[in-house]
Amino acid sequence: AQSVTQPDIHITVSEGASLELRCNYSYGATPYLFWYVQSPGQGLQLLLKYFSGDTLVQGIKGFEAEFKRSQSSFNLRKPSVHWSDAAEYFCAVGGNQFYFGTGTSLTVIP
Amino acid sequence: GAVVSQHPSWVICKSGTSVKIECRSLDFQATTMFWYRQFPKQSLMLMATSNEGSKATYEQGVEKDKFLINHASLTLSTLTVTSAHPEDSSFYICSGLGHQGSTDTQYFGPGTRLTVL
Repeated sequence: AQSVTQPDIHITVSEGASLELRCNYSYGATPYLFWYVQSPGQGLQLLLKYFSGDTLVQGIKGFEAEFKRSQSSFNLRKPSVHWSDAAEYFCAVGGNQFYFGTGTSLTVIP
Repeated sequence: GAVVSQHPSWVICKSGTSVKIECRSLDFQATTMFWYRQFPKQSLMLMATSNEGSKATYEQGVEKDKFLINHASLTLSTLTVTSAHPEDSSFYICSGLGHQGSTDTQYFGPGTRLTVL
């Protein structure tokens, strides 16, 4: 069955520190993978996506993610977090049909 | 490219009334559109899939008579919440299925917040 797991419900990091948000998936075919960010009361903004090719994907706002097929993972990283990065982050897998993780809430402390 | 809009962005209505939410693909044709519902601090839940010119396919547990979906054109899908009640208050997000190269993927609208008094 297709599913996405984001093990961390809530993460707190200091501004300027590095960040890694975990995402594991279960999908029957070659996955298309996505990371979205959602600020309170707002819609989803696409950070980055992986369809094929280079497994290290660069996105907007300084984010990157690495697809590791052997680990069924697509973790999101940022080398230095800014206070404005505080938001909810969703990992998703699919193409025609999307499967979302439950989200990771990021708090950034000064 | 691949922009999806929703209207209204926020609506407040009285219990028992019906509310229509529009989802438009602005710069691409979306033969398939999706409607999601999101409760506070939760993930998106797929409600239904609509294909232009045909009836929507509803997910298990979603009342099709309460959540009427119409996909009359390649750029417009509407969700009507009929006889709304406070428990229908939620954030509704639509998406359109578009092409990127040889790949189909979903492009999401900004969402509509529904508050039922």
